[in-house]
Amino acid sequence: EVQLVESGGGLVKPGGSLRLSCAASGFTFSNAWMTWVRQAPGKGLEWVGRIKSQSDGGTIDYAAPVKGRFTISRDDSKNTLYLQMNSLKTEDTAVYYCTTVGFLAGTVAFDIWGQGTMVTVSS
Amino acid sequence: DIQMTQSPSSLSASVGDRVTITCRASQTIYSYLNWYQQKVGKPPKLLIYAASRLQGGVPSRFSGSGSGTDFTLTISSLQLEDFGTYYCQQSDSTPPYTFGPGTKLEIK
Repeated sequence: EVQLVESGGGLVKPGGSLRLSCAASGFTFSNAWMTWVRQAPGKGLEWVGRIKSQSDGGTIDYAAPVKGRFTISRDDSKNTLYLQMNSLKTEDTAVYYCTTVGFLAGTVAFDIWGQGTMVTVSS
Repeated sequence: DIQMTQSPSSLSASVGDRVTITCRASQTIYSYLNWYQQKVGKPPKLLIYAASRLQGGVPSRFSGSGSGTDFTLTISSLQLEDFGTYYCQQSDSTPPYTFGPGTKLEIK
């Protein structure tokens, strides 16, 4: 069964740091492009960033609101995706989802999602 | 960056109704448009990719159409389990992969 399980969320003060993990199983993680998507309470979905597979260059792209503060990485030996979040702001409060990037009919779509982990930034 | 809008922001419909949700991109995205369904407390689920291709396991009452800047998601005969929020997302070439603001569908 294809599965993504996020962990590492919690309560952190503004300016603090947190590292999220996403454990993957049921597919060849090393070949997969992965993304992080977040959702603030009661709000819509916001793409956070994407990491390509190492075989495709491992390129990482970020959304403007998190660029320079968040870092996406992966450990293919552990089938795990990470999101290092520094200089956190109250507006980073959200459920964070990891997803796989599927290549479907020539387009990119987020086809498998984890259950999400909640990050609350508050003093 | 490409901006996405959706209309309506919410709607209420009855079982058996035909429902249409519209999504518009700020510039052409060809057919690089996906639709997701999300229920409260759950992660989104991919319904349609490449504007009109049904993801495996998705009921055939769901369909998508459009290209360029204007797209629609149609539910041909609404079922109770179709309540939730629907998001469009553009996936044209490079990131950011912008989502629309969502359409909340309630069952009357």
